[in-house]
Amino acid sequence: DGGITQSPKYLFRKEGQNVTLSCEQNLNHDAMYWYRQDPGQGLRLIYYSQIVNDFQKGDIAEGYSVSREKKESFPLTVTSAQKNPTAFYLCASSPSGGAGTEAFFGQGTRLTVV
Amino acid sequence: AQSVAQPEDQVNVAEGNPLTVKCTYSVSGNPYLFWYVQYPNRGLQFLLKYITGDNLVKGSYGFEAEFNKSQTSFHLKKPSALVSDSALYFCAVRDIPSNTGKLIFGQGTTLQVKP
Repeated sequence: DGGITQSPKYLFRKEGQNVTLSCEQNLNHDAMYWYRQDPGQGLRLIYYSQIVNDFQKGDIAEGYSVSREKKESFPLTVTSAQKNPTAFYLCASSPSGGAGTEAFFGQGTRLTVV
Repeated sequence: AQSVAQPEDQVNVAEGNPLTVKCTYSVSGNPYLFWYVQYPNRGLQFLLKYITGDNLVKGSYGFEAEFNKSQTSFHLKKPSALVSDSALYFCAVRDIPSNTGKLIFGQGTTLQVKP
């Protein structure tokens, strides 16, 4: 089945640690996105990539980093510089070149600082 | 700037009754509008979209949405609610001016359908 796979589903981070969230898609989509979801705040864009080996900061990129070495993969690293990382993280992808195309979402990773 | 507003944090409806979840938007140019649903601890599932054409858009699971240009609204509707429709609903608009392809989301509306 085609889709987006995020792993792990739950992740616990100690203070000062970096952690990496995985996102893999087999939809052959060019564009990939990372969103952060907090209660009552909707979804906010962290980083996006419209093509392999290129990515751009979104609205809340501080304390996060990404890479896009393969079309299928867009991992997100939450660094120790992110002061409030506890949240639900969603990865999405969409075909490029079509404003009317919907984005497809993974099942999310819930990150908790312990 | 492009934006979307969902004025209700929660909507309560009895099973079998019609439901409406409200969304208003502010865009420059033509709007590309979307509705998604999220069940607890899950990702977002696409329900329907408005690109152009008929103002009444039909989507998944019996949902439909009415695009109203003069009122800049895109309300989600269903003629007869099910308990299983209880979830968090997001309205979104494509951010055309930024050329990023990103979606701008509303705050979300929790739909509670009671038996």
